[in-house]
Amino acid sequence: EPEVTQTPSHQVTQMGQEVILRCVPISNHLYFYWYRQILGQKVEFLVSFYNNEISEKSEIFDDQFSVERPDGSNFTLKIRSTKLEDSAMYFCASSEEGIQPQHFGDGTRLSIL
Amino acid sequence: AQSVTQPDIHITVSEGASLELRCNYSYGATPYLFWYVQSPGQGLQLLLKYFSGDTLVQGIKGFEAEFKRSQSSFNLRKPSVHWSDAAEYFCAVAGGGGGNKLTFGTGTQLKVEL
Repeated sequence: EPEVTQTPSHQVTQMGQEVILRCVPISNHLYFYWYRQILGQKVEFLVSFYNNEISEKSEIFDDQFSVERPDGSNFTLKIRSTKLEDSAMYFCASSEEGIQPQHFGDGTRLSIL
Repeated sequence: AQSVTQPDIHITVSEGASLELRCNYSYGATPYLFWYVQSPGQGLQLLLKYFSGDTLVQGIKGFEAEFKRSQSSFNLRKPSVHWSDAAEYFCAVAGGGGGNKLTFGTGTQLKVEL
């Protein structure tokens, strides 16, 4: 069964550094998402992406965050200047159509020191 | 704004016992409802979904859920729990004015006693 893959599984970064989280969505999916889950808290929506542009973003997704689909297969989340509070598990998801079930990757655990 | 409430943070059941995990949603129109399961260190796996039609939906691993509009609920059930069902379970809602994004509940941690 096709799956969403995320790399790396764990990323440790110094505060203030830039980090890029990578995702390969399921190949025929058109909608892409990033969520995050701070330890012990619920999963929160960050951003959705369709047709090479952001379709929706949450208040968490400020100017420090950006997303890109650089080559038709990867979908990346960049945090320009990381803060301690960015430490979380980041999940990528994709779906065939907008309201269809989203399939999640195993996540990238981001630890900011 | 849409929201999801999972009133039970932790539930412990004996293997072989029945299970019901509660989920209540707040939503202005007909919601799209989902249950996901998360095992430690893993991503979120879709158990089942409700879009329309039959209010009792079947999912994977023997799970089912019933949509009750009058109670704004979408409770997850399983007749006989297996030790491998121990995980965290998330209810989520999407659609309508909330767009495609999923709004999750806080999750219910299920422990299975042998």
